[in-house]
Amino acid sequence: SQQGEEDPQALSIQEGENATMNCSYKTSINNLQWYRQNSGRGLVHLILIRSNEREKHSGRLRVTLDTSKKSSSLLITASRAADTASYFCATGRGAGKSTFGDGTTLTVKP
Amino acid sequence: SQTIHQWPATLVQPVGSPLSLECTVEGTSNPNLYWYRQAAGRGLQLLFYSVGIGQISSEVPQNLSASRPQDRQFILSSKKLLLSDSGFYLCAWSASGSTDTQYFGPGTRLTVL
Repeated sequence: SQQGEEDPQALSIQEGENATMNCSYKTSINNLQWYRQNSGRGLVHLILIRSNEREKHSGRLRVTLDTSKKSSSLLITASRAADTASYFCATGRGAGKSTFGDGTTLTVKP
Repeated sequence: SQTIHQWPATLVQPVGSPLSLECTVEGTSNPNLYWYRQAAGRGLQLLFYSVGIGQISSEVPQNLSASRPQDRQFILSSKKLLLSDSGFYLCAWSASGSTDTQYFGPGTRLTVL
């Protein structure tokens, strides 16, 4: 299977709840990135965490990285209906290239 | 600030017809440029990657080709489209020499009939 696999494939929550998505990968990485994609649109970069970092915050987003388990998680706190989108992790593999997973589709119900 | 443009936004083409999708970047010099294809409900598949004018790396052998005639222009082409070429095509750029953030265009929805 490809580098950067998200879990779960789909997640449905109520507004105000927290959403957690996970990403697993297979080989060594330089960094790991999370992107959001609204339906039919391009991807928007959310946050990047380097291989020597363990946790990073940006607004309501919290990303963790465990290189020993080759996994990362994205936590969105106090979710809003506008957070409804697909979320992808991407692993940086040098030479400016990244490998994307198949994404988690998040639905936040108002 | 940097911006990335893709056109057309949508395209419906018959099997066997040629294809030309264009991507341009503004506000930066010597960017890395990428073409991705996304199947419905799936992640992104890297098709082509370029670090400079005339320098194209193909990630997946297929019916498509790419060219970079100018520093900030990236073109995806095909001489004869196949049904399997249908999908959502995304262009992206990153800073020269960087392995970090990629910035994506709005995408082109291609349907081959």
